[in-house]
Amino acid sequence: GNSVTQMEGPVTLSEEAFLTINCTYTATGYPSLFWYVQYPGEGLQLLLKATKADDKGSNKGFEATYRKETTSFHLEKGSVQVSDSAVYFCALSPQTGTALIFGKGTTLSVSS
Amino acid sequence: DAGVTQSPTHLIKTRGQQVTLRCSPISGHKSVSWYQQVLGQGPQFIFQYYEKEERGRGNFPDRFSARQFPNYSSELNVNALLLGDSALYLCASSSGAALDEQYFGPGTRLTVT
Repeated sequence: GNSVTQMEGPVTLSEEAFLTINCTYTATGYPSLFWYVQYPGEGLQLLLKATKADDKGSNKGFEATYRKETTSFHLEKGSVQVSDSAVYFCALSPQTGTALIFGKGTTLSVSS
Repeated sequence: DAGVTQSPTHLIKTRGQQVTLRCSPISGHKSVSWYQQVLGQGPQFIFQYYEKEERGRGNFPDRFSARQFPNYSSELNVNALLLGDSALYLCASSSGAALDEQYFGPGTRLTVT
């Protein structure tokens, strides 16, 4: 079946550190891949997405590349800020326009 | 423009009771989806409605039902509540039937005692 596996958290970093949150997926066909972010007390916000192999999604300094050969979509940011502290969810849509399947989420805590 | 709104924010119910959660999509959006997020887990898909018709259903029991109104707002109903129904219920809206660009509301926190 379709599933998403994220690295366990929490991830604790100092401001300006490099961030990587690993995400791998299992899916048949060619899913679309997403990263969502959930700030405390708020709903999920779409951070970035990629719809086909080798696509790179980017937003607010975050990047992720759709790697079909390794079935991965790792989230990276070169220099994190305290304001990036949140829960990050990797998700896939098995076919274009179908419901999202989420990973368990990774909590990021950035200290100054 | 207002985002997706949900009501109530918090709710406490007793086992066996029934609950109704409400969602108003972004103006102009015709699709509403519901997700359940249990503490420490990612959201799980419950329903999608588009143009007042059910377009998709996740692996949830028949105790869960939903509907969409002519103004595209939606209600999620859960009957015979169980302790395991305690969760954050998220509503998401999108402009069309496709779910690529979903915008989430802040959620309703349901606690079943």
